[in-house]
Amino acid sequence: GNSVTQMEGPVTLSEEAFLTINCTYTATGYPSLFWYVQYPGEGLQLLLKATKADDKGSNKGFEATYRKETTSFHLEKGSVQVSDSAVYFCALSRMDSSYKLIFGSGTRLLVRP
Amino acid sequence: NAGVTQTPKFRILKIGQSMTLQCAQDMNHNYMYWYRQDPGMGLKLIYYSVGAGITDKGEVPNGYNVSRSTTEDFPLRLELAAPSQTSVYFCASSYSDPGEWNTEAFFGQGTRLTVV
Repeated sequence: GNSVTQMEGPVTLSEEAFLTINCTYTATGYPSLFWYVQYPGEGLQLLLKATKADDKGSNKGFEATYRKETTSFHLEKGSVQVSDSAVYFCALSRMDSSYKLIFGSGTRLLVRP
Repeated sequence: NAGVTQTPKFRILKIGQSMTLQCAQDMNHNYMYWYRQDPGMGLKLIYYSVGAGITDKGEVPNGYNVSRSTTEDFPLRLELAAPSQTSVYFCASSYSDPGEWNTEAFFGQGTRLTVV
């Protein structure tokens, strides 16, 4: 079936450090891939997305590239800020899936000043 | 623009009680969803709807019911609350044309439910 696997957190970094959060997926065909972010006490909001192989999604300094050969969609940021502290969710959706979004378990990021 | 509005934000229920979680969106979205979020477990889909009058089960529908009488509203009903239903519940909506699966979902702020 369709599934998303994320690296376990929490991930603790100092401000201005480089961030990578790993995400791999299992799905047949060509799913669309997403990263959502959840700030404390809030709902999820879309951070970026990619809809086909080799696409790069980017937003607010975050980037992720859709790698079909490795079934991965790793999230990266060159220099994190304290305000990036949140929970990050990788997700996929497929055209023939009954479920519109399948989420990973989330990775908590804590950035220290 | 209110987006997706959920009420209440917090609720404590006793075992066996019932309640309805309200969800409303003002974006004229055709799809609406209910997820639950357990600590460290990500989000699990409870029910979803592709339009008024149409609902379907997700991964974890047992103990819940939904209805979609209007485009705007998608309430979630808990019958006979159990401690296993202690969770944070999120409602979401999106607009999708047939065959379009890469559109953004908008989430409400969540309802934190505790069953004691």
